[in-house]
Amino acid sequence: NAGVTQTPKFQVLKTGQSMTLQCAQDMNHEYMSWYRQDPGMGLRLIHYSVGAGITDQGEVPNGYNVSRSTTEDFPLRLLSAAPSQTSVYFCASSYSRGVVDTQYFGPGTRLTVL
Amino acid sequence: AQKITQTQPGMFVQEKEAVTLDCTYDTSDPSYGLFWYKQPSSGEMIFLIYQGSYDQQNATEGRYSLNFQKARKSANLVISASQLGDSAMYFCAMRDVETSGSRLTFGEGTQLTVNP
Repeated sequence: NAGVTQTPKFQVLKTGQSMTLQCAQDMNHEYMSWYRQDPGMGLRLIHYSVGAGITDQGEVPNGYNVSRSTTEDFPLRLLSAAPSQTSVYFCASSYSRGVVDTQYFGPGTRLTVL
Repeated sequence: AQKITQTQPGMFVQEKEAVTLDCTYDTSDPSYGLFWYKQPSSGEMIFLIYQGSYDQQNATEGRYSLNFQKARKSANLVISASQLGDSAMYFCAMRDVETSGSRLTFGEGTQLTVNP
């Protein structure tokens, strides 16, 4: 049982490049989400999904796309990277969207956009 | 809108002593969950403890306990018998459904340093 896995761990992009951050979980969780963490701040929600085929925007969705074709995978796409997207990105999952359900986080991806 | 406030940017404690990390929250949703996460220097987010808004008793998990005062809207984390490995950033977070679509709203964190 690997939990929540993310790849890559580190990435450097040039402005305007695109890339996909991968996230997978093996706990059969319905709810998955992407957060970003900027220095000195807590995490902020980018996008989330309540099940395969269903996604929605979070607090800071601009510049990011997501899709959820399977229960296990929830990739985050940066369409045209900007320096403002330099951050640490965390993927998280929980059994459901219920308030009692703990969200478990992946190890994070540290992204730098030059 | 929901909000989490952690008023202590940094805290220091001597090894083996207890420490309380403060957290206040604001929500209009009657049903919500409160969580504490630990983020060591390695960067991962580690779940510590959970308290539901309808729970009658304070949550405990080993050396961690949550001092939940619903009327004051506070959910302070108490770490007993601090260890050097407890040095980390600690985040309080809240999850509700009606106002936030079940996302976690985080505070800005408290950096805890345990001195030998």
